[in-house]
Amino acid sequence: DTGVSQDPRHKITKRGQNVTFRCDPISEHNRLYWYRQTLGQGPEFLTYFQNEAQLEKSRLLSDRFSAERPKGSFSTLEIQRTEQGDSAMYLCASSLNQDPGYTFGSGTRLTVV
Amino acid sequence: EDQVTQSPEALRLQEGESSSLNCSYTVSGLRGLFWYRQDPGKGPEFLFTLYSAGEEKEKERLKATLTKKESFLHITAPKPEDSATYLCAVQGTSGNTPLVFGKGTRLSVIA
Repeated sequence: DTGVSQDPRHKITKRGQNVTFRCDPISEHNRLYWYRQTLGQGPEFLTYFQNEAQLEKSRLLSDRFSAERPKGSFSTLEIQRTEQGDSAMYLCASSLNQDPGYTFGSGTRLTVV
Repeated sequence: EDQVTQSPEALRLQEGESSSLNCSYTVSGLRGLFWYRQDPGKGPEFLFTLYSAGEEKEKERLKATLTKKESFLHITAPKPEDSATYLCAVQGTSGNTPLVFGKGTRLSVIA
């Protein structure tokens, strides 16, 4: 297992377009997290899944954001009608049950122009 | 609401010049305090977990310590390859709370 994979690494999109990111967690990890990080800030929690169930969503996750984890494996994060304020690094992490120390992927950097 | 404050925001050291980074936190009940290293354009890399006051963990030139209100990351005789942003995060005991991160300390070690 090579760790948490995220695709794409970079995405440039025009304002108003929809984008979708994918995360493949470590195979035996049942928990998957999405975070957003802007320049000079720490990661901010967006949402997390235990297996296929989405258990918590942050107030940061507006109606334009939706996340899925079908079959409890990979996850997708979709942003509809992107805005310039959505420009950030989107990080995915995974863990096994409540083990400490999430393993993060390298992130997807989104630029909205 | 769980909060993490890291200081300084940025730190510039000469190679070999030891120093400490601070992480102050407020949490209703601490399940764990975490230190991560983040290189530019990459995701955070896990370094340490501390669970209770008085605990210490070491890895190469890094040592993390924990009190009831703060944690320190001590860097002994740093090298240029230690340059990175160091992030501190806490996880509370209530429910399935996710990690809450500070803004990080950007460390530069000059040869």
